Amino acid sequence: DAGVIQSPRHEVTEMGQEVTLRCKPISGHDYLFWYRQTMMRGLELLIYFNNNVPIDDSGMPEDRFSAKMPNASFSTLKIQPSEPRDSAVYFCASSLSGVSYEQYFGPGTRLTVT
Amino acid sequence: AQKVTQAQTEISVVEKEDVTLDCVYETRDTTYYLFWYKQPPSGELVFLIRRNSFDEQNEISGRYSWNFQKSTSSFNFTITASQVVDSAVYFCALGRRALTFGSGTRLQVQP
Repeated sequence: DAGVIQSPRHEVTEMGQEVTLRCKPISGHDYLFWYRQTMMRGLELLIYFNNNVPIDDSGMPEDRFSAKMPNASFSTLKIQPSEPRDSAVYFCASSLSGVSYEQYFGPGTRLTVT
Repeated sequence: AQKVTQAQTEISVVEKEDVTLDCVYETRDTTYYLFWYKQPPSGELVFLIRRNSFDEQNEISGRYSWNFQKSTSSFNFTITASQVVDSAVYFCALGRRALTFGSGTRLQVQP
């Protein structure tokens, strides 16, 4: 079975540019999460969806960040305009409702903003 | 607010040694879940175990074992007879849907 798929795996962009990260959750999973990992702040939850509906976006750093989930098999995280401090590894994870709360992570997108 | 503390930033052991990674948590929830994830040098996060707050039974899976003690709010992870392939950063996490992660413990197993 395919795991969580993220694209691109690496992204290098210049400050001020728009960046779009993509995620395909595990088929059948109804929860989708976006995390950011940096040396300074560690792993932090940005936003999560249930059945394509955003449930908690309190971790989204500022208005430059937005996330959408147009259908059960696709989500995007957009940063516009990007800044050097947005450089991080962005992980997408998915999980199944019910009693199995464990989240399965994608390989991550390493974003570098110069 | 929830908090997970992994006080050990880095541990270095020699192959075949046993090693315990500590995790202490804080929560006001009566029902919660605890997790351990492994992040090898390749960077992905690998799920290892989930424990719910009602189940304090220790768990063993091969060389891995977990000790959950509600009285001390701890969920420690022991690797028996460590191997070089165990070298990774290990994260403890707390929550149900929205997970709070600890800062991680980097384990280096020397041959």
